[in-house]
Amino acid sequence: GAVVSQHPSRVICKSGTSVKIECRSLDFQATTMFWYRQFPKQSLMLMATSNEGSKATYEQGVEKDKFLINHASLTLSTLTVTSAHPEDSSFYICSASSASGRAIDEQFFGPGTRLTVL
Amino acid sequence: AQTVTQSQPEMSVQEAETVTLSCTYDTSESDYYLFWYKQPPSRQMILVIRQEAYKQQNATENRFSVNFQKAAKSFSLKISDSQLGDAAMYFCAYRNQAGTALIFGKGTTLSVSS
Repeated sequence: GAVVSQHPSRVICKSGTSVKIECRSLDFQATTMFWYRQFPKQSLMLMATSNEGSKATYEQGVEKDKFLINHASLTLSTLTVTSAHPEDSSFYICSASSASGRAIDEQFFGPGTRLTVL
Repeated sequence: AQTVTQSQPEMSVQEAETVTLSCTYDTSESDYYLFWYKQPPSRQMILVIRQEAYKQQNATENRFSVNFQKAAKSFSLKISDSQLGDAAMYFCAYRNQAGTALIFGKGTTLSVSS
């Protein structure tokens, strides 16, 4: 199957700093990428949907000024957590859909990024 | 809005036995897609099986099969001949025909004992 990478896999930062997480589709073009957040032993909660070349669509309750998403190319989307606080500590997962656009197509998931804000 | 419900937070099974994980969903659409994902301790999401709602035949992938009951909006996962490597969190997910994001259930943690 297709491969999605995330970088970094783990990051620890101080409160008030910004952190950027990269999500790359390594061997396919992803017109759409999704960002999820997962707390320990809980489900994945969709944060936003990112389409290449356009603004991301955020889910209700997700602060778009705090979680900046950029999808500048067909292989890269970034999530920047601005002015991070301890409550932003979580596991962030991205997924990508291929350019074929078929709903049955598998979403390929990245390995996730564990963010810890001190 | 679509919702996915997994009513079993935890399940356990003995090696080589069979276990069934339950999932129900709610939607007003007639065409959609259902998935089961496995998340092992590494937290990498792995697709286990998928089902297209317009197909009456239940999907099967080796030891994994589903019981898809469209009228009842039920989509259970059966794992046969359970193995230690099956221990993980399992998520049921829904996706509409437009291909928007997956909607996940809360998950079922499966433990496998020898």
